[in-house]
Amino acid sequence: AQSVSQHNHHVILSEAASLELGCNYSYGGTVNLFWYVQYPGQHLQLLLKYFSGDPLVKGIKGFEAEFIKSKFSFNLRKPSVQWSDTAEYFCAVNIPGGGNKLTFGTGTQLKVEL
Amino acid sequence: KAGVTQTPRYLIKTRGQQVTLSCSPISGHRSVSWYQQTPGQGLQFLFEYFSETQRNKGNFPGRFSGRQFSNSRSEMNVSTLELGDSALYLCASSYTSGGSLEQYFGPGTRLTVT
Repeated sequence: AQSVSQHNHHVILSEAASLELGCNYSYGGTVNLFWYVQYPGQHLQLLLKYFSGDPLVKGIKGFEAEFIKSKFSFNLRKPSVQWSDTAEYFCAVNIPGGGNKLTFGTGTQLKVEL
Repeated sequence: KAGVTQTPRYLIKTRGQQVTLSCSPISGHRSVSWYQQTPGQGLQFLFEYFSETQRNKGNFPGRFSGRQFSNSRSEMNVSTLELGDSALYLCASSYTSGGSLEQYFGPGTRLTVT
C-alpha cells in the first residue's frame, strides 16, 4: 500500500522567508500528487496538483511544487511567505485507476510570524 | 456552484449509540469519499462511493458503513460508538476528466463521543 511522509511536523518562519515543505511517497508506479491547505477554522483546500507533464507545477497564492520521480518526492515551495500562510499543509497521493482515494501525509503545521 | 455540504456540523453522542452523517456533493459529481481526521492519526480514508456503489474501502471496522443515493448524496453511519471515534469526519466530492482528478472537501462534521 502506498504511504506519504511529511518530514517537518512544525515549521516556524518569519514573514518574507522562503518555504520548502518536504513530501515523499512510497509507490513504484504512476501517481497523482496533491498539496492541500487547511487554514484555521476552515476546510481543506486544494493548493496544487500534479498529474503529468511539467514536473514543476504552480498553484494558488504563489505556491509551487516540484515532482522528482527518482526521489519519490513532491516538495512544496513558496519564495516569500506571509502571515496569512499560517495553516496546516497536507501532501496526498492518488493511484490512477484505483478510484478517488487519497492517501495523506501527517501534515505540517506552518506558523508565520510578523 | 455550491460547495460540498455536510450536516450536521457538530454532534455529541454517548458511547454505544449510533450516528448518521450526511453529505451533499457538488452538483454533477458522482463520487463521494469519506475521511476521518484526528490529531493522532491525521486524515484517514474511510470509503468511496461512485454511482451508488462502494468502490474503495479503508481499514476501518465494520461499525463504519456508508451508502450513496441516486442523487449522489451520501450518508455514513457509525454504530456502537466508542470514545476513539471522536473526530472530524470529512466528505469529499470528486470528478475526473482526462485523467485529472479534483477532490473538494466539505467543512466536516465534528463528532464528540462521551
